[in-house]
Amino acid sequence: DAKTTQPTSMDCAEGRAANLPCNHSTISGNEYVYWYRQIHSQGPQYIIHGLKNNETNEMASLIITEDRKSSTLILPHATLRDTAVYYCIVRTGANNLFFGTGTRLTVIP
Amino acid sequence: NAGVMQNPRHLVRRRGQEARLRCSPMKGHSHVYWYRQLPEEGLKFMVYLQKENIIDESGMPKERFSAEFPKEGPSILRIQQVVRGDSAAYFCASSPGSRNSMNTEAFFGQGTRLTVV
Repeated sequence: DAKTTQPTSMDCAEGRAANLPCNHSTISGNEYVYWYRQIHSQGPQYIIHGLKNNETNEMASLIITEDRKSSTLILPHATLRDTAVYYCIVRTGANNLFFGTGTRLTVIP
Repeated sequence: NAGVMQNPRHLVRRRGQEARLRCSPMKGHSHVYWYRQLPEEGLKFMVYLQKENIIDESGMPKERFSAEFPKEGPSILRIQQVVRGDSAAYFCASSPGSRNSMNTEAFFGQGTRLTVV
């Protein structure tokens, strides 16, 4: 069962920041939030994950609210190659990366 | 450091034949996950294996599908007597064995696209 809710689709202008929201109101204290993306029909690509603190890497930033019920993935300067389906996942255990329907992000020139 | 390798990338089988999909995890990874993606749908978890053990097969169809991850060699997803509905992309992911597996990212291969004709 999906533990996350994401908008079905979003558009973003090239060069602007893309902010992808995710609700996970039933998250438990020891569950991590993961983000993956799938470009066209390629294999999913790991982006970032976090527990409670904000995280940043070379691809993106992850902002988790203090109550941990929602988070936002930020792509600081979206490019056309960032067009993909983005999946927000609450990891409930070693064996469970459950992929919901994700957000289809379209970066517009 | 090679990523997760899946082969073949494309596989065509006639109805009733067997399909064998291979997954070589990243070096040092002992956990393997298999997912299936039907056309225009999301990824569905199938099975989670550690070396020589099936940990969770809750997403595997009860019949015709099996998976293994032997001590030596790649993980194999085997589909017997394939039907048209088995046509899909099959993705494998791997992660290292870790005390806190929830804090360990899994990396995916590029998938095997199975077409049953």
